[in-house]
Amino acid sequence: KAGVTQTPRYLIKTRGQQVTLSCSPISGHRSVSWYQQTPGQGLQFLFEYFSETQRNKGNFPGRFSGRQFSNSRSEMNVSTLELGDSALYLCASSSGTADNYGYTFGSGTRLTVV
Amino acid sequence: GDSVTQMEGPVTLSEEAFLTINCTYTATGYPSLFWYVQYPGEGLQLLLKATKADDKGSNKGFEATYRKETTSFHLEKGSVQVSDSAVYFCALSEGNVGAGSYQLTFGKGTKLSVIP
Repeated sequence: KAGVTQTPRYLIKTRGQQVTLSCSPISGHRSVSWYQQTPGQGLQFLFEYFSETQRNKGNFPGRFSGRQFSNSRSEMNVSTLELGDSALYLCASSSGTADNYGYTFGSGTRLTVV
Repeated sequence: GDSVTQMEGPVTLSEEAFLTINCTYTATGYPSLFWYVQYPGEGLQLLLKATKADDKGSNKGFEATYRKETTSFHLEKGSVQVSDSAVYFCALSEGNVGAGSYQLTFGKGTKLSVIP
């Protein structure tokens, strides 16, 4: 079956702009989680959506937001971009249930803020 | 809160050498433990996992045993290959029972380079 698809793969934005990243999970998976990966901070949890509801949120400012659609596809948005937002953003798909929650990651979107 | 500590890299080994990457964790409950691998320019791939104490996860010659008494989940491989060169991440997942949500907490990663 198809894997997790993240688009676009690469983005270059200017400080102060906003950006939207997209993630299509594995068919049948209802949970989508987002992670930020930077050389300094490593991998950090942003938020998780399940059936269009945010279930969990990491310690990031309100400039980072997300949503999930009825087909489980998810988008995350970063407003008023800062240089420190440059990172690889990874999306993880899972069934979202306690008894079977394997996580499958996409290839990521590399965001560069200049 | 939860945390994962893994050995600092980079680690450079010759082909066919034995690999150990240490990982210890701190958690309030009974987490599931994972090893993920990241190849250059790619996302994370699940290498192996263990969901309860004394479980052994294994895949592609890699093994790790969930040791509750030492809160450890060390990754081992008996004979590494050049193709194993990658960054390895230890992670745990502990459910937020109230919200029914699970998130991964990662270690900093260990870069492995295997030379012929």
